Amino acid sequence: DIQMTQSPSSVSASVGDRITITCRASQGVSSWLAWYQQKPGKAPKLLIYGASSLQSGVPSRLSGSGSGTDFTLTISSLQPEDLGTYYCQQGDSFPRTFGQGTKVEIK
Amino acid sequence: QVQLQESGPGLVKPSQTLSLTCTVSGGSISNGNYFWSWIRQPAGKGLEWIGRIYSSRGTNYNPSLKSRVTISMDTSKNQFSLKLSSVTAADTAIYYCARDFSGSYYFFDNWGQGTLVTVSS
Repeated sequence: DIQMTQSPSSVSASVGDRITITCRASQGVSSWLAWYQQKPGKAPKLLIYGASSLQSGVPSRLSGSGSGTDFTLTISSLQPEDLGTYYCQQGDSFPRTFGQGTKVEIK
Repeated sequence: QVQLQESGPGLVKPSQTLSLTCTVSGGSISNGNYFWSWIRQPAGKGLEWIGRIYSSRGTNYNPSLKSRVTISMDTSKNQFSLKLSSVTAADTAIYYCARDFSGSYYFFDNWGQGTLVTVSS
């Protein structure tokens, strides 16, 4: 299985701050990488696919980059609605695997 | 907009079989580049992909669960189902069904709200 490792495990930042979450794959996954946001008590929501393509309706302050084994999710100006846990997921091979999550809190 | 809704018992006894159904509305499960997946999440933990089905291409399962999992589809009802046999407390989790896009990209773009299944006697 491809192991997906996210860092940090949690981040606390102020409204307006720029934050970056990193996802590293144990082997190359090309650009088959997606990011999700999960709010408490809710299902995950797709944010980014293909490592850098923004899902329809997702605000442009979110962006993704990377290929191969190293990927980043950046929120350029943190907003209150951005709180939640963020997960990366590889679509290169089976079984599909997710990172362990990064919890984003607002100071 | 496609919507998915899980249904099934919220409590299952150890060693028995967990059975869940996902009803899809707003689109046909027979069309397009979509597979249909099950994903679970133990309380306070991360996401685990269980497996997926596509009507003409069969199924894929997570090897860690493959011996106990069956995913099937009923196109006449626009539903797909999960059966997980010989359950233990470790199978207690929120179970999600999700639409699985597998074409030029690979991602889960629509999710059900999730259903909590507890394994306990």
